Amino acid sequence: DQQVKQNSPSLSVQEGRISILNCDYTNSMFDYFLWYKKYPAEGPTFLISISSIKDKNEDGRFTVFLNKSAKHLSLHIVPSQPGDSAVYFCAASSDDKIIFGKGTRLHILP
Amino acid sequence: NAGVMQNPRHLVRRRGQEARLRCSPMKGHSHVYWYRQLPEEGLKFMVYLQKENIIDESGMPKERFSAEFPKEGPSILRIQQVVRGDSAAYFCASSVNRAGRGNQPQHFGDGTRLSIL
Repeated sequence: DQQVKQNSPSLSVQEGRISILNCDYTNSMFDYFLWYKKYPAEGPTFLISISSIKDKNEDGRFTVFLNKSAKHLSLHIVPSQPGDSAVYFCAASSDDKIIFGKGTRLHILP
Repeated sequence: NAGVMQNPRHLVRRRGQEARLRCSPMKGHSHVYWYRQLPEEGLKFMVYLQKENIIDESGMPKERFSAEFPKEGPSILRIQQVVRGDSAAYFCASSVNRAGRGNQPQHFGDGTRLSIL
């Protein structure tokens, strides 16, 4: 029973364009949502988070949008750069733990 | 400012042996989490510890797996009598506060890749 779902295993985007990564969740008790980026053979690194009381958080090229009624969040990266090629994990937290999605592999094309 | 340190990076064991994975959290972090990642899967929560206490082990298999975070020294994830299905990447994370809330997220180590022959 997946509480955090990333339905696109992979995504290819042209360099300079906008990358949009999507995530759905089922548990309305989650109070924080986070995005992590992971390169091969490294641990995930924190990118950006959003509280459940907000609907948008922006940090440089990265913006996270939260739609609580749809239980959906998305990460926008603009403009996309070659170094953005990685696996992106959506995560949601409540109480003591964080639940991760399976990840979306983003390929930035030259 | 050292990050979360995990060792070894790679560990090879034969079926039936024991595997010990070590994790030193970031300085100032007293909350430690262990996750397992199988190929093509996300990170699955295993256990959450604070110094000398297991807070939540709901993700730990009931047998063969144990974790500790002693007063002194690193956190240890121990797998006894390993089987082929234990082959995975094991990640440790640490945070300043509980569950890495908001602006104080969990910081991850680079993982230990465990291979069972």
